[in-house]
Amino acid sequence: GQQLNQSPQSMFIQEGEDVSMNCTSSSIFNTWLWYKQDPGEGPVLLIALYKAGELTSNGRLTAQFGITRKDSFLNISASIPSDVGIYFCAGPTGNQFYFGTGTSLTVIP
Amino acid sequence: DGGITQSPKYLFRKEGQNVTLSCEQNLNHDAMYWYRQDPGQGLRLIYYSQIVNDFQKGDIAEGYSVSREKKESFPLTVTSAQKNPTAFYLCASSRRQDIVEAFFGQGTRLTVV
Repeated sequence: GQQLNQSPQSMFIQEGEDVSMNCTSSSIFNTWLWYKQDPGEGPVLLIALYKAGELTSNGRLTAQFGITRKDSFLNISASIPSDVGIYFCAGPTGNQFYFGTGTSLTVIP
Repeated sequence: DGGITQSPKYLFRKEGQNVTLSCEQNLNHDAMYWYRQDPGQGLRLIYYSQIVNDFQKGDIAEGYSVSREKKESFPLTVTSAQKNPTAFYLCASSRRQDIVEAFFGQGTRLTVV
């Protein structure tokens, strides 16, 4: 099945720093989704993007839908310890959702 | 509150036994999905169902079976034919038409000993 490529694979940052991660695909998506997964829990939807070029914020999170429709970016500003987790991008196509490989974020207090 | 409920949270089984994982949703979603997640890896699709009494194999369906007798319920059976069943299993649901967002349950961690 198709997979989306996320980078970086993992990040270790100091509390208060900003974080950037991205997701790329060889195929076009009409929607991009960003999820966060806490250890041992199911992913929770953070942001949904519906239009190429769209920039959407949710608190300290900002995500962008790439103009080519083949990529998306997630930024977290002023990170805090509870931002720790795995961040996944996802795109629905046909009857399925395809998920990125995940970015593991560790925030050092 | 609307949502997806997976049970149990933790499940232990002996090798060679079949085990069924429960997934129930009250979001009135038509589509439901089962994913498997291994440590440090992404989500891999096992089965999905777009409507009642219909389901399709995903990328890693071998050794698994599902049923969709009710809109709200999509149980997954891990059979003894699954060679490496220990994993974290996630159930999700979405609207069928114009599917845009999937919502997940809290997961079931299955350990086979």
